[in-house]
Amino acid sequence: DVKVTQSSRYLVKRTGEKVFLECVQDMDHENMFWYRQDPGLGLRLIYFSYDVKMKEKGDIPEGYSVSREKKERFSLILESASTNQTSMYLCASIASNTEAFFGQGTRLTVV
Amino acid sequence: ELKVEQNPLFLSMQEGKNYTIYCNYSTTSDRLYWYRQDPGKSLESLFVLLSNGAVKQEGRLMASLDTKARLSTLHITAAVHDLSATYFCALASNSGYALNFGKGTSLLVTP
Repeated sequence: DVKVTQSSRYLVKRTGEKVFLECVQDMDHENMFWYRQDPGLGLRLIYFSYDVKMKEKGDIPEGYSVSREKKERFSLILESASTNQTSMYLCASIASNTEAFFGQGTRLTVV
Repeated sequence: ELKVEQNPLFLSMQEGKNYTIYCNYSTTSDRLYWYRQDPGKSLESLFVLLSNGAVKQEGRLMASLDTKARLSTLHITAAVHDLSATYFCALASNSGYALNFGKGTSLLVTP
């Protein structure tokens, strides 16, 4: 089974902290994504990566950055966490023309 | 910009009844996905539809794709309580693999 694993299920951070959300996939997929999910807004794409060290902005990249140093790992970084970044964060990976698999999600609360 | 519209957004139905969820999209796409999400959980892949006229069935759920009409449907047959969840359709743009999601349909099946 394909596995996409996110490092934390629940996270509570203080305003202004630098926050790292980690995602690892074990199927050698080229493409990885970070989404956030908010009630009434659905899933919105933050960043994606189609290869090691490559990254592209999604629809809502402001306040976030990403890192992909190895193919299996895609990290989302909140440079200075703010309360409006409280959300559910979902990582996904996909190879060409196949299913996109999602991690279990990280529910981040910024206080 | 690829837009994805689902309707209805909320659906309450009785056990044993049939119903259809609709997913309209604005530009051409060669991959359409249906996902299920239970409260507090991540997204579970249901179907991937890759070509015009594609039809896939799993249990009481059947998905179809009409690329000319830019429409996919998720048909529920003889609903049971276990199908209560939120259902999302998503499309990949022809230029990449990032998925654009509909707002989701929250389904409640009652006795």
